[in-house]
Amino acid sequence: EAGVVQSPRYKIIEKKQPVAFWCNPISGHNTLYWYLQNLGQGPELLIRYENEEAVDDSQLPKDRFSAERLKGVDSTLKIQPAELGDSAVYLCASSLGKMNTEAFFGQGTRLTVV
Amino acid sequence: GESVGLHLPTLSVQEGDNSIINCAYSNSASDYFIWYKQESGKGPQFIIDIRSNMDKRQGQRVTVLLNKTVKHLSLQIAATQPGDSAVYFCAENQGWGANSKLTFGKGITLSVRP
Repeated sequence: EAGVVQSPRYKIIEKKQPVAFWCNPISGHNTLYWYLQNLGQGPELLIRYENEEAVDDSQLPKDRFSAERLKGVDSTLKIQPAELGDSAVYLCASSLGKMNTEAFFGQGTRLTVV
Repeated sequence: GESVGLHLPTLSVQEGDNSIINCAYSNSASDYFIWYKQESGKGPQFIIDIRSNMDKRQGQRVTVLLNKTVKHLSLQIAATQPGDSAVYFCAENQGWGANSKLTFGKGITLSVRP
């Protein structure tokens, strides 16, 4: 069974440009998470979806970040415009139930803003 | 604010020796704890968990110890192997279901010497 799939694996953009990350969760997993991970740090939750509904987006910087999960399956995370400080790894995870402790993580997208 | 943290940033051990990775947490409301392993270029992978009503749990070559009195969590890896080289994170959970909140600590790098 395929795990959580993310693309692209790496992305380099200039500051002020837009960027988008895509995530395909494990089949049947209703809950999807986007995390931000800075070097040497643990992941920090950005947004959490239950099916197509964003149930926790309290940590998402809404002035420049947006996310969607229109059909309750795949999800896209967008940054517009990107800033130098956005350079990090963006991880997607999914879980069958509502417990984030049961989540499986994707490999992440490493974003470098120059 | 309350946080989860790790005592040491790096740990170097000889192959075949036992490894002990420590973690301090400060939120007494946390009821569930997880250790994750993250290899280079991959997302965090679940290793072992423990509930707050336990003080020890064993897996295959790994043991997690929980000391609630001093808010301390440790991961013991027996007969450390080169494949154990990775960054390890402890995480603490508060709440249940849709209200669950998982907080990761800072990572500690385990390096296994051949």
